[in-house]
Amino acid sequence: QLQLQESGPGLVKPSETLSLTCTVSGGSISGGNYYWDWIRQSPGKGLEWIGNIHHNGATYYNPSLHSRVTMSVDTSKNQFSLRLTSVTAADSAVYSCARHIAGKNWFDPWGHGTLVTVSS
Amino acid sequence: DIQMTQSPSFLSAPIGDGVTISCRASQSIATSVSWYQQRPGKAPNLLIYGASTLQSGVPSRFSGSGSGTDFTLIISTLQLEDFATYYCQQNYGVPYTFGQGTKLEIK
Repeated sequence: QLQLQESGPGLVKPSETLSLTCTVSGGSISGGNYYWDWIRQSPGKGLEWIGNIHHNGATYYNPSLHSRVTMSVDTSKNQFSLRLTSVTAADSAVYSCARHIAGKNWFDPWGHGTLVTVSS
Repeated sequence: DIQMTQSPSFLSAPIGDGVTISCRASQSIATSVSWYQQRPGKAPNLLIYGASTLQSGVPSRFSGSGSGTDFTLIISTLQLEDFATYYCQQNYGVPYTFGQGTKLEIK
């Protein structure tokens, strides 16, 4: 059974860079035509899709975050990562990783999510 | 961006009743809608995709319908474990967007 687990700092200072990693277990990140997504959830904005990456490195980002987001994939570690620069309090949220099948675009499964708070 | 508007935001019903949750897209999106259930402290769980196809393992008391701009999630005969928050999501185009959620509580 495929499982995803987010990891990274729970507290980030304003103007700094948020970095998170999603570790995939129970399957290969390179096995199949999948995209690996980041989604965040906050009381103010609800669920917000951040972007995704394919194991070949192709990425799609939400235009609202495009200038601050970078995603990468490490197939040797079965991991993919998110970097969000110049964070503010508005970026405080639960960040989750998920998978979708190319062309299907619904998310399954999801990781449990990790809370990131932006505060000095 | 395609906006997804869910209604109602809150819903209260007794165990055994049926409920309907609606989702309206800001433009026509064919049947490109998914529904998720989220229990407190847990990740969202896929219930339905393609507006009406039940994900494997999801009880048959859940059903979905709709096309174009108007979509519906129906839960018949509510069970205790169904009291959660439900979200619709459009997968028609990037950026993928979600409804604001419907919190279903026990009456």
